[in-house]
Amino acid sequence: DSGVTQTPKHLITATGQRVTLRCSPRSGDLSVYWYQQSLDQGLQFLIQYYNGEERAKGNILERFSAQQFPDLHSELNLSSLELGDSALYFCASSVVGGAPPDTQYFGPGTRLTVL
Amino acid sequence: AQKITQTQPGMFVQEKEAVTLDCTYDTSDQSYGLFWYKQPSSGEMIFLIYQGSYDEQNATEGRYSLNFQKARKSANLVISASQLGDSAMYFCAMRSGGTSYGKLTFGQGTILTVHP
Repeated sequence: DSGVTQTPKHLITATGQRVTLRCSPRSGDLSVYWYQQSLDQGLQFLIQYYNGEERAKGNILERFSAQQFPDLHSELNLSSLELGDSALYFCASSVVGGAPPDTQYFGPGTRLTVL
Repeated sequence: AQKITQTQPGMFVQEKEAVTLDCTYDTSDQSYGLFWYKQPSSGEMIFLIYQGSYDEQNATEGRYSLNFQKARKSANLVISASQLGDSAMYFCAMRSGGTSYGKLTFGQGTILTVHP
């Protein structure tokens, strides 16, 4: 158990809908990262937050948004869902420095299926 | 841009044997970190081992060791004494420096199958 929690574990929804994925980082970790894993794209970095502020952005679609709250949990919002958004979405967290430095620990993932 | 290449889509190994999973990387950064993760069929991503670009010694973590050859830009994972539970997908990843500090770039992965 990495200490990172994600809910829900599975999500099935229809095209055009909006969903919210939730992540709680490990205790003490200020950085949260979101990744998407799909068969055709592999593992892709979406976005990073550090202590509530957006730190880095990857190939995140405009239909997707995220935020990190004062209690450090994070939410990834996916809207106007398309079939191609079906994927496994991971949240990871890390502490600045640490040993090994800045190692990201992953949550169990949320499997999103868009029908 | 950073790039990770894992050229072995699948590897097979006999139980108790050692196996090497290949990883080459490309980056213009002087400071970077290399990671290996294991993804069993259940889907979670498990951190295995880390190598920093300035580390002089190859990293080791139990049965896992990293064969780091900086000049060749390779960071191969060696699993000794394979166990049936080692059957999984293995990903090599690199942490960037610069403005995207912290972001991980992943390879395509290698599926390892351990035979009894």
